[in-house]
Amino acid sequence: VQLVESGGGLVQPGKSLKLSCSASGFTFSSYGMHWIRQAPGKGLDWVAYISSSSGTVYADAVKGRFTISRDNAKNTLYLQLNSLKSEDTAIYYCARSLGIYNNYPFDYWGQGVMVTVSS
Amino acid sequence: DIQMTQSPSSMSASLGDRVTITCQASQDIGNNLIWFQQKPGKSPRPMIYYATNLANGVPSRFSGSRSGSDYSLTISSLESEDMADYHCLQYKQYPLTFGSGTKLEIK
Repeated sequence: VQLVESGGGLVQPGKSLKLSCSASGFTFSSYGMHWIRQAPGKGLDWVAYISSSSGTVYADAVKGRFTISRDNAKNTLYLQLNSLKSEDTAIYYCARSLGIYNNYPFDYWGQGVMVTVSS
Repeated sequence: DIQMTQSPSSMSASLGDRVTITCQASQDIGNNLIWFQQKPGKSPRPMIYYATNLANGVPSRFSGSRSGSDYSLTISSLESEDMADYHCLQYKQYPLTFGSGTKLEIK
């Protein structure tokens, strides 16, 4: 199992960015997926979830601004970040949720990608 | 939202010590709790799932327990490689919520 995030970088407040998480080593379409973030020097914050059937749930802090999506043909998870704020500055991780072949969610994580929101 | 109150925020212990970190849930989460270990510059690693079960490859000196709404991660005999941040996560109900983290240092 491997999860590899990409798409991070420096972006101005109010702008947009799209993160990707490329999955391999498992049947991606059978698993829900999460995005989690960690501001510099801070704890972990759950951001969003997408089920295997593409149902979605968001944290209040990002609802209406971020969109989680998936492309099962490409084995890729996405997070579209719009109307970015300085407080969105963080490392963003993707992680696998509970499926039919694992005992618990968050068993595999990507290496993380840094998003910096600054003018 | 379910609040996870984690304590202590930091601690220092000696090699061989028994160490316990606790998370208290503000609502019933059953056993839907995971403990993670995170080393500097690395992704979180699951250590305990469903409150008391050892995750794959985790040394047996780690254990998890529950008493009512209090969940504990215990290291029976601290080793140098255990220096890390530890986080709890409840996955009973959305929004999922983490504890604030515990920084464990070696004396």
